[in-house]
Amino acid sequence: ILNVEQSPQSLHVQEGDSTNFTCSFPSSNFYALHWYRWETAKSPEALFVMTLNGDEKKKGRISATLNTKEGYSYLYIKGSQPEDSATYLCAFWASSASKIIFGSGTRLSIRP
Amino acid sequence: NAGVMQNPRHLVRRRGQEARLRCSPMKGHSHVYWYRQLPEEGLKFMVYLQKENIIDESGMPKERFSAEFPKEGPSILRIQQVVRGDSAAYFCASSPMTGGNYEQYFGPGTRLTVT
Repeated sequence: ILNVEQSPQSLHVQEGDSTNFTCSFPSSNFYALHWYRWETAKSPEALFVMTLNGDEKKKGRISATLNTKEGYSYLYIKGSQPEDSATYLCAFWASSASKIIFGSGTRLSIRP
Repeated sequence: NAGVMQNPRHLVRRRGQEARLRCSPMKGHSHVYWYRQLPEEGLKFMVYLQKENIIDESGMPKERFSAEFPKEGPSILRIQQVVRGDSAAYFCASSPMTGGNYEQYFGPGTRLTVT
């Protein structure tokens, strides 16, 4: 059974602080890992598509790293802002490339 | 370029009725994925379709649920004889090519309520 876990489940961070959270996934049958940002009452928005071990991606203040050998990815947010408040989802793609498993998300709240 | 469109946004059905959910992918996208979010749960993969083909339906319940993506028109997720447990948010996403190398673009979802 393929399992994708995200931790922590929720996180409260002071505005201006930096933070990070984890997505753990099976280290075998890896094809790709996606990160999404999901704001309340909206639909998930793609942040990163990561496919290679050692990948590092960056978009503004948000960055992500990937370790496929040990089965984890980190998402970092530097200098958190209130607009960063959202649920961050990771999605693991198994090597069949159509088997997609989402983590349950990390709910991030930024305190002004 | 319009994004992924889903309609209706909200759908109320009585037990035993049929529900039809529509998804129009982004222009130029021929790959559609359907996901379900049950109350208090995360997103679960249901089915992956290309034009006129079901590629992977391993996440879809074996009975009462079907999906299609015809050559012309939107993708349809059909739920026959709905039950209360079908109440959920149903999202579709589209991508330009197959596989996980490409971003998926999500629609706004259809919230199905079964009374």
